[in-house]
Amino acid sequence: DTGVSQDPRHKITKRGQNVTFRCDPISEHNRLYWYRQTLGQGPEFLTYFQNEAQLEKSRLLSDRFSAERPKGSFSTLEIQRTEQGDSAMYLCASSFPSPGLAGVGGELFFGEGSRLTVL
Amino acid sequence: KQEVTQIPAALSVPEGENLVLNCSFTDSAIYNLQWFRQDPGKGLTSLLLIQSSQREQTSGRLNASLDKSSGRSTLYIAASQPGDSATYLCAATPDSWGKLQFGAGTQVVVTP
Repeated sequence: DTGVSQDPRHKITKRGQNVTFRCDPISEHNRLYWYRQTLGQGPEFLTYFQNEAQLEKSRLLSDRFSAERPKGSFSTLEIQRTEQGDSAMYLCASSFPSPGLAGVGGELFFGEGSRLTVL
Repeated sequence: KQEVTQIPAALSVPEGENLVLNCSFTDSAIYNLQWFRQDPGKGLTSLLLIQSSQREQTSGRLNASLDKSSGRSTLYIAASQPGDSATYLCAATPDSWGKLQFGAGTQVVVTP
């Protein structure tokens, strides 16, 4: 198992274009999370999946953002009509419930992130 | 709403000195607290996870303590090395889904 994988690592786009990021979680992990991080700040929660179900979306996730996790495996995060304010590192993480604590989220493992620059 | 604070924002120590990194959170009703390391331009590497029923966790030169009643966690790194230079982030889990609320991090520089 190679850990959480994200693609692409870097994306430069012009304002108004659409971009899509992909995340492949650790294979046995049923929970998947997307975060956004800007320079000098901690990551901010965007959305969360348990298997294929999207269970929570942050208010940060405007209607230009959409995330999917078909079949409960990989996930995609799409940003439509990108704006300069969307420039950030987009991080994906996965986890499995804590052993012995039914339903409680366990340790999160993050990918290397996808850095988006909107010109 | 849970708020997580890390003070100081930056820290510089000579090699060999012990590092003490602080994390405070406003709501003691957390499930877990996790410490991460982040190198420039990279993702987050998990260091330690402390469950709410635990008081501390240890891994090699790293030791993290958790005091829920006072809303504090401390990460100790013994005998620091230049390779420990990075940003260290703590994150609290306010619900059972595992969603994390992060602090802004402490940037550490260990000078040879």
